[in-house]
Amino acid sequence: EAGVAQSPRYKIIEKRQSVAFWCNPISGHATLYWYQQILGQGPKLLIQFQNNGVVDDSQLPKDRFSAERLKGVDSTLKIQPAKLEDSAVYLCASSFASGHSSYNSPLHFGNGTRLTVT
Amino acid sequence: KNEVEQSPQNLTAQEGEFITINCSYSVGISALHWLQQHPGGGIVSLFMLSSGKKKHGRLIATINIQEKHSSLHITASHPRDSAVYICAEVGGSQGNLIFGKGTKLSVKP
Repeated sequence: EAGVAQSPRYKIIEKRQSVAFWCNPISGHATLYWYQQILGQGPKLLIQFQNNGVVDDSQLPKDRFSAERLKGVDSTLKIQPAKLEDSAVYLCASSFASGHSSYNSPLHFGNGTRLTVT
Repeated sequence: KNEVEQSPQNLTAQEGEFITINCSYSVGISALHWLQQHPGGGIVSLFMLSSGKKKHGRLIATINIQEKHSSLHITASHPRDSAVYICAEVGGSQGNLIFGKGTKLSVKP
């Protein structure tokens, strides 16, 4: 089966510019996650979707970050405007299960997008 | 507040050595994941366990729910095992993952 696809692989922008990341989860996976991983740290959840609805966005800096998952398949994560501290790897992951059983379903990660803000 | 602590942070081993990475968490969980992250960012799920022990090839994961502790063991380590190993607990009302900071393993030939 095809894995979780993310693009671009790398992105370098200047602060105050905008950037968007794209994720295509494994076909049929209801749950989609965006994580931010700063160098030397574990991933931090930004937002979790269940189909096209948001389950948890409590750690998403909503003044500059936005995400959507139209039609419950692909997802985009946008940063506008970017700050230096946004430099990180942005990981997308998906899992099959939906609802409260999502915790029992293995996660599949994409290769991530490495963002550098200068 | 859920916290996941891993030890050691960094580990260097010689090829063939038996390796143990530890993970402690602060609240009751429904499941715990062990993940492997290679340079370049890609993450692979190794294990998801809620009790007892699981084995896959040279990798063994154990969990003790009462002690809130899990271990990942690698037998007959090989340089290709060099990676960051991350444990993540399933917590919160939505079953979100809370990640440890990872253990960077380097296996020397």
